[in-house]
Amino acid sequence: EAGVVQSPRYKIIEKKQPVAFWCNPISGHNTLYWYLQNLGQGPELLIRYENEEAVDDSQLPKDRFSAERLKGVDSTLKIQPAELGDSAVYLCASSLGRANEQFFGPGTRLTVL
Amino acid sequence: AQSVTQLGSHVSVSEGALVLLRCNYSSSVPPYLFWYVQYPNQGLQLLLKYTSAATLVKGINGFEAEFKKSETSFHLTKPSAHMSDAAEYFCAVSGKGGSYIPTFGRGTSLIVHP
Repeated sequence: EAGVVQSPRYKIIEKKQPVAFWCNPISGHNTLYWYLQNLGQGPELLIRYENEEAVDDSQLPKDRFSAERLKGVDSTLKIQPAELGDSAVYLCASSLGRANEQFFGPGTRLTVL
Repeated sequence: AQSVTQLGSHVSVSEGALVLLRCNYSSSVPPYLFWYVQYPNQGLQLLLKYTSAATLVKGINGFEAEFKKSETSFHLTKPSAHMSDAAEYFCAVSGKGGSYIPTFGRGTSLIVHP
């Protein structure tokens, strides 16, 4: 069984540029999560999807961050424009229902110069 | 509201020695509790979880954790450390009947010396 796939694995951009991250969850998993992980910290939830509906997005900075999950499968997280403080690892996870085990992807490491 | 405190950002043990990683939580509802492991440049992997069944939970790779409600603790142990156990370990809590969104601790880096 394939795990959660994320791309790109690494991204280096200059500040004020846009950037997008892609996540393909485990087949059949209806719940998808985007987390932000700063160096030396645990993951912090940005947004959770139940199928194609975004729920629990109170931590998503909506002035610059956006996310979508078309057709309830793949998801994209976008930052526009990026700031220096956005440098972090962005993790995607999926689960079969919100109360079940989350499976994490390897993450995208973003560096904003 | 829920929170997790992991005592010690780094724990160093010798190979073959006991591993003890500490986690204390707070939750306004009965909790689900988790331990995850993260190897360099990889995502998090579930080690074990507590969901109100047995208070002693056994996980993968020989790890186990004990839920102690009176101490609000969920410490992770392994009788004998192996070099391959060197990684970052995260404790997390989520609330039953709530959103089930886990709150993670800051993590503890386990260092294993030969």
